[in-house]
Amino acid sequence: QSVLTQPPSVSGAPGQRVTISCTGTSSNIGSGYDVHWYQQLPGTAPKLLIYVNSNRPSGVPDRFSGSKSGTSASLAITGLQAEDEADYYCQSYDISLGSRVFGGGTKLTVL
Amino acid sequence: EVQLLESGGDLLQPGGSLRLSCAASGFTLSNFAMGWVRQAPGKGLEWVSMISVSGVSTSYAASVKGRFTISRDNSKNTLYLQMNTLRAEDSAVYYCAKGGGITAPFDSWGQGTLVTVSS
Repeated sequence: QSVLTQPPSVSGAPGQRVTISCTGTSSNIGSGYDVHWYQQLPGTAPKLLIYVNSNRPSGVPDRFSGSKSGTSASLAITGLQAEDEADYYCQSYDISLGSRVFGGGTKLTVL
Repeated sequence: EVQLLESGGDLLQPGGSLRLSCAASGFTLSNFAMGWVRQAPGKGLEWVSMISVSGVSTSYAASVKGRFTISRDNSKNTLYLQMNTLRAEDSAVYYCAKGGGITAPFDSWGQGTLVTVSS
């Protein structure tokens, strides 16, 4: 089991909006540690998608957005496109473990 | 352009040792913390280890502590991961990643190198 909990899968039709949740505890997200999101397209290395809760690196479309509240964070994708089909991971820091932690990953299927 | 190129992955028996390398280009390695993240076949991402800019401070996941050692040679722009007493559960693609401080993301990743531990 991962320290950060994500739904195993989500799906949506092209053009729709989907959200992916990342639930932590008072030892990580709830302690104020920032959340980052990564996108892993099939057969490729992960790529930074959102950093420090809600910031997009250069080149990431504004269809992707992140938020954080309490012990959870969310990634929202609007205007779904076929190319968004990938695995998405959240990541933070856990003070109890003294380590960076990842969510278990969410597979996004574009119907 | 930031590039990270891992090498050293191999097939080896349980109990064996291996050293992974990550050659960095397009940025000054000595200015950034660096880390290793692994991904077992069909599984999610698992943080493995982290090293500070100077190399003085290191940290490890509980699953590898005492068996793996991270190091860096800033003069060669290269990051290393020495892996000892390997187990079947260490089988994974190992990614080198730039950044990864307590509040910082891993902002660039290599393509990964495959380590397979099997008898």
